[in-house]
Amino acid sequence: GEDVEQSLFLSVREGDSSVINCTYTDSSSTYLYWYKQEPGAGLQLLTYIFSNMDMKQDQRLTVLLNKKDKHLSLRIADTQTGDSAIYFCAERSQAGTALIFGKGTTLSVSS
Amino acid sequence: KAGVTQTPRYLIKTRGQQVTLSCSPISGHRSVSWYQQTPGQGLQFLFEYFSETQRNKGNFPGRFSGRQFSNSRSEMNVSTLELGDSALYLCASSSGRGAQETQYFGPGTRLLVL
Repeated sequence: GEDVEQSLFLSVREGDSSVINCTYTDSSSTYLYWYKQEPGAGLQLLTYIFSNMDMKQDQRLTVLLNKKDKHLSLRIADTQTGDSAIYFCAERSQAGTALIFGKGTTLSVSS
Repeated sequence: KAGVTQTPRYLIKTRGQQVTLSCSPISGHRSVSWYQQTPGQGLQFLFEYFSETQRNKGNFPGRFSGRQFSNSRSEMNVSTLELGDSALYLCASSSGRGAQETQYFGPGTRLLVL
């Protein structure tokens, strides 16, 4: 079945780069997404990548996609304390409308 | 453009009661999806409505239902509440025009069942 897996925790120091990894199972996924959730809040769309792309850069965010290994990563450059949050990787389901989410990676940034 | 709004933001109910949550999508969006978020199960898809019709449904019991109005606003209802229904319920809207549509989420309604 469809499944998305992420590591649960990542701790970095302010100013370092953060890399959050994700693996997915549905090779037919057309779009893959990264969402951010701050405490007590909903999900904020950070970025997405189309499956025919290998990389997408958006300011401090870089998304890498390895379609062969079904591996997605999100790199945050110059990580700030305000980046502390839970980051969710998601793929679109085979049904085409639902998003399948990973369990989320909690990013902790220390100063 | 205003974002996705959800009401109420917080709700406390007791077992056996029913609850109705409301979601107003981004103006012009015709698709509304609902998700349940719990610490144990994470984010799970409940259902999606497009043009007042349920277009897709997740694996939840029939106690969970929804509807969409002609102005694209959506409501979800949970009947005979159980303790395990305590969760953050998130609504997401999108244009509904195809696979490239992006879902934008509201702040959620936090439901506590006692």
